Amino acid sequence: KAGVTQTPRYLIKTRGQQVTLSCSPISGHRSVSWYQQTPGQGLQFLFEYFSETQRNKGNFPGRFSGRQFSNSRSEMNVSTLELGDSALYLCASSLGQVGQEGHIYFGEGSWLTVV
Amino acid sequence: AQSVTQPDIHITVSEGASLELRCNYSYGATPYLFWYVQSPGQGLQLLLKYFSGDTLVQGIKGFEAEFKRSQSSFNLRKPSVHWSDAAEYFCAVGAAAAGNKLTFGGGTRVLVKP
Repeated sequence: KAGVTQTPRYLIKTRGQQVTLSCSPISGHRSVSWYQQTPGQGLQFLFEYFSETQRNKGNFPGRFSGRQFSNSRSEMNVSTLELGDSALYLCASSLGQVGQEGHIYFGEGSWLTVV
Repeated sequence: AQSVTQPDIHITVSEGASLELRCNYSYGATPYLFWYVQSPGQGLQLLLKYFSGDTLVQGIKGFEAEFKRSQSSFNLRKPSVHWSDAAEYFCAVGAAAAGNKLTFGGGTRVLVKP
């Protein structure tokens, strides 16, 4: 059974550009969450999608957005990139509601460097 | 709001020695608790989880953790550390009311001496 797949694994962008990251959850999983990991702030929750609807949102500016498709694949987009957006972006998938339908699996992440 | 504290930023342990990583959480109701491990440049791998029931939880790679409600703790232990256990360890808390949102601690980096 394939795990959580994130693409691209590494990318470099320039300030002011925008970026789209992709996540394919484990087959059958309906929930996809995104996290940002930086040395200074640690792991921070961005948002969660379940059955194409945003179910939860963290405290990030509106430049960070996401969506989920009918096949549960998810994308997140960051517009007007800033140097501080350089981070490892992790995607996590779950069958449904944690505690009721299993736990949460993470992908290898997408390393974003903003120059 | 949920919060997680991992008091130890770094721990150095000799190979073959025991390891204990501390985790304290703050949450009003019964939390869901997780331990993840991250090797350099990699994603997070789930070691074990606690949802309910037996407060001593067994995980992969010989790890176990004990949920102590009275102390709001979920400490991770391993009786004998291997060099391959060198990594960063994260404790996380979730809750039924929060969907699948996890709140993570700051992590503990484990160094293993030969």
